Amino acid sequence: EPEVTQTPSHQVTQMGQEVILRCVPISNHLYFYWYRQILGQKVEFLVSFYNNEISEKSEIFDDQFSVERPDGSNFTLKIRSTKLEDSAMYFCASSDVGREYNEQFFGPGTRLTVL
Amino acid sequence: KQEVTQIPAALSVPEGENLVLNCSFTDSAIYNLQWFRQDPGKGLTSLLLIQSSQREQTSGRLNASLDKSSGRSTLYIAASQPGDSATYLCAALYNNNDMRFGAGTRLTVKP
Repeated sequence: EPEVTQTPSHQVTQMGQEVILRCVPISNHLYFYWYRQILGQKVEFLVSFYNNEISEKSEIFDDQFSVERPDGSNFTLKIRSTKLEDSAMYFCASSDVGREYNEQFFGPGTRLTVL
Repeated sequence: KQEVTQIPAALSVPEGENLVLNCSFTDSAIYNLQWFRQDPGKGLTSLLLIQSSQREQTSGRLNASLDKSSGRSTLYIAASQPGDSATYLCAALYNNNDMRFGAGTRLTVKP
């Protein structure tokens, strides 16, 4: 069964460093998303991406974040200058349609630890 | 503000029992509601999706209902098994493509 994959599974970085989290969505899906879950807290929406551009973003997704689909398979989340509070589990998700019929499929996540 | 709440926060039941997990949302203008399962340290597994025009969806031992007017959804698990032990999350999708999650119900099914 097709699945969303994410690499790395765990990333440790120093505060102020740039990190890139990678995702391979399900191949025929058109909509891509990033979420984060700080330990012990709710899953939070960061950004949605469709047709090679951001379609929606939350207030969490500020200028230090960016997303890109550099080729036909990968979808990346870049955090420009990491802060301690960026430590969280980051989930990528994809869906084949938007809105009402939008069933999102999630990857296993990348645990980001900022020291 | 679009808030999603799940009760109870934790639930422990003996194997074989039927159980109901509750989810409520403050803004009823949802596009759909999705139930997920999350195992410790793992990703989210989609269980059921209910579109805003639907009242319920079933998959195996799982049945999810949706009442938009009252802002509620329930997940019914029949004949629970130890393998059902996990955290169950509900998430409501809104017009701005923002999916709002509840904090989850942590279910333990004892053999």
